[in-house]
Amino acid sequence: QQQVKQSPQSLIVQKGGISIINCAYENTAFDYFPWYQQFPGKGPALLIAIRPDVSEKKEGRFTISFNKSAKQFSLHIMDSQPGDSATYFCAAATMRVTGNQFYFGTGTSLTVIP
Amino acid sequence: GAGVSQTPSNKVTEKGKYVELRCDPISGHTALYWYRQSLGQGPEFLIYFQGTGAADDSGLPNDRFFAVRPEGSVSTLKIQRTERGDSAVYLCASSLSRHNEQFFGPGTRLTVL
Repeated sequence: QQQVKQSPQSLIVQKGGISIINCAYENTAFDYFPWYQQFPGKGPALLIAIRPDVSEKKEGRFTISFNKSAKQFSLHIMDSQPGDSATYFCAAATMRVTGNQFYFGTGTSLTVIP
Repeated sequence: GAGVSQTPSNKVTEKGKYVELRCDPISGHTALYWYRQSLGQGPEFLIYFQGTGAADDSGLPNDRFFAVRPEGSVSTLKIQRTERGDSAVYLCASSLSRHNEQFFGPGTRLTVL
């Protein structure tokens, strides 16, 4: 059972445009929501993360919007650049005492066209 | 400093063979994680170590999979009697503690023929 559902599977955006990737979850025990960027042949790298006590977090061109009641969160990439072309994964975790399982979405392949 | 390293980068084996995959975490990181990433999928949690002990091994798919971290640093993921379905990229990540950012290694691509 997929704990975190991610869409779209792939996304093509013009340079300078806004890229939006969405994720949804069911488990209300999740209390940490990171986004990872992965280039071919590399491991995922943390991009930005949010806790459920805030509705938005912005770091440079990257923004997470979080809707606790709808159990949804999204990544917005402003002024998308060709160098942003990569696969993006959302994830959710419960920072509980005995474990630290991260559940990842299925990924979104982003292509930014020059 | 150096990031998380994993060896080998690629491993090809035959069905039924035993394999070991190694992870060298960032120095000083007490938390270590193993994930499996199949083609076109997100990483799937396998096991989490805090120090030398496996704090959560609920993601290991069956008893053919085992991982150790005897000195609280390097970890080895061991797979017995490999099956073709075990083919995937095996990722290792480490963090300063369980509340901190996870840093991923480049992964080991395992192919079982």
